[in-house]
Amino acid sequence: AQSVAQPEDQVNVAEGNPLTVKCTYSVSGNPYLFWYVQYPNRGLQFLLKYITGDNLVKGSYGFEAEFNKSQTSFHLKKPSALVSDSALYFCAVSFPPGTGRRALTFGSGTRLQVQP
Amino acid sequence: DADVTQTPRNRITKTGKRIMLECSQTKGHDRMYWYRQDPGLGLRLIYYSFDVKDINKGEISDGYSVSRQAQAKFSLSLESAIPNQTALYFCATSEGQGRRDEQFFGPGTRLTVL
Repeated sequence: AQSVAQPEDQVNVAEGNPLTVKCTYSVSGNPYLFWYVQYPNRGLQFLLKYITGDNLVKGSYGFEAEFNKSQTSFHLKKPSALVSDSALYFCAVSFPPGTGRRALTFGSGTRLQVQP
Repeated sequence: DADVTQTPRNRITKTGKRIMLECSQTKGHDRMYWYRQDPGLGLRLIYYSFDVKDINKGEISDGYSVSRQAQAKFSLSLESAIPNQTALYFCATSEGQGRRDEQFFGPGTRLTVL
């Protein structure tokens, strides 16, 4: 089945350390990939997306993500975590035409906790 | 994001009641979406609309209906609410390019069905 997976329910990291939030996808063809963040009591906010081109995508708040086609992954990264980065992060996939899916499919979410 | 508003923000209702959740947007986007969020399940698509005359079921449309009253308004109805529809509901919009466009989310409606 075509899907997107976030294997970690929660990631804990100390402030100032690098962080990685993992996302893998299972899609035939060329998907478009997105990361969103949800702060408490808020809707989701767009962070970044991969459409084509450079595999390293830079986004809001110092986040970046690396598209790896051979590993079918799109991990979210930040060189130095802040306490204010603590939130729920969602990976999402837009499937190619012909798959029957015309809207985004979201992963289950990963809660990032940055300790002071 | 104030460009996408949802009403009500919180609602408690009883089993069997009809409920309508409303979404309005000032972004001028053609595409609108309704999702529900449950812990550990992420966001699941209920219905989506690519323009006023285009309504499509998502992955979990049973028990829900929608109305696209205008480009700016997209309402979600629960005809007869049941407890397992207790969830956080989000409306979202995107521009007309489709696959490559990010979505803009409203603040959510927390619905509790007793």
